[in-house]
Amino acid sequence: DAGITQSPRYKITETGRQVTLMCHQTWSHSYMFWYRQDLGHGLRLIYYSAAADITDKGEVPDGYVVSRSKTENFPLTLESATRSQTSVYFCASSEGEWRAGSYNEQFFGPGTRLTVL
Amino acid sequence: GDSVTQMEGPVTLSEEAFLTINCTYTATGYPSLFWYVQYPGEGLQLLLKATKADDKGSNKGFEATYRKETTSFHLEKGSVQVSDSAVYFCALSDSGGYNKLIFGAGTRLAVHP
Repeated sequence: DAGITQSPRYKITETGRQVTLMCHQTWSHSYMFWYRQDLGHGLRLIYYSAAADITDKGEVPDGYVVSRSKTENFPLTLESATRSQTSVYFCASSEGEWRAGSYNEQFFGPGTRLTVL
Repeated sequence: GDSVTQMEGPVTLSEEAFLTINCTYTATGYPSLFWYVQYPGEGLQLLLKATKADDKGSNKGFEATYRKETTSFHLEKGSVQVSDSAVYFCALSDSGGYNKLIFGAGTRLAVHP
């Protein structure tokens, strides 16, 4: 299907386990982003990527790892899950080459609800 | 650093009522401003945007004007419908670029018939 997809949609895991959330987009967008959504905080950026093999930290990167070997995929890994990582995770993508003063719309996936017990 | 402050919700209205959701921002430089909407169980969608001072963004009956003098970008709609029930996020473009956004905490709107 065209667009941006996330899997799984729901995940329950235990403290200390490794978890990988998948994100796939079919538009060949250059930029991809991972956010977490928590009540009272809105969306906070975890990591972003400007292109394949180029990633950088966002506002709340601790405890997370990303990779981007292919343009269309941007997996997010929690190396050792903690209860504070219980959240809804959104992946987003946007096209184009960034330049000062410009902006390209971000398109969001449906989210993954992660519960860490 | 840059930040966005939205009015707290939830906002509860009757159908056809007038809606205002307040949004103010703090930023260096000249950010672009956005409203995103999140319907139940879905990801966020761009509702409208404004890229410079005094610009008015509009879509689906919603409007917001970029006010540099008051650092505000309030969302308004003249007559809400039940289908407008959602969470609304104000956001600004990060001064560091790369299409990054900084979001407010979100305001939940519930519209009753």
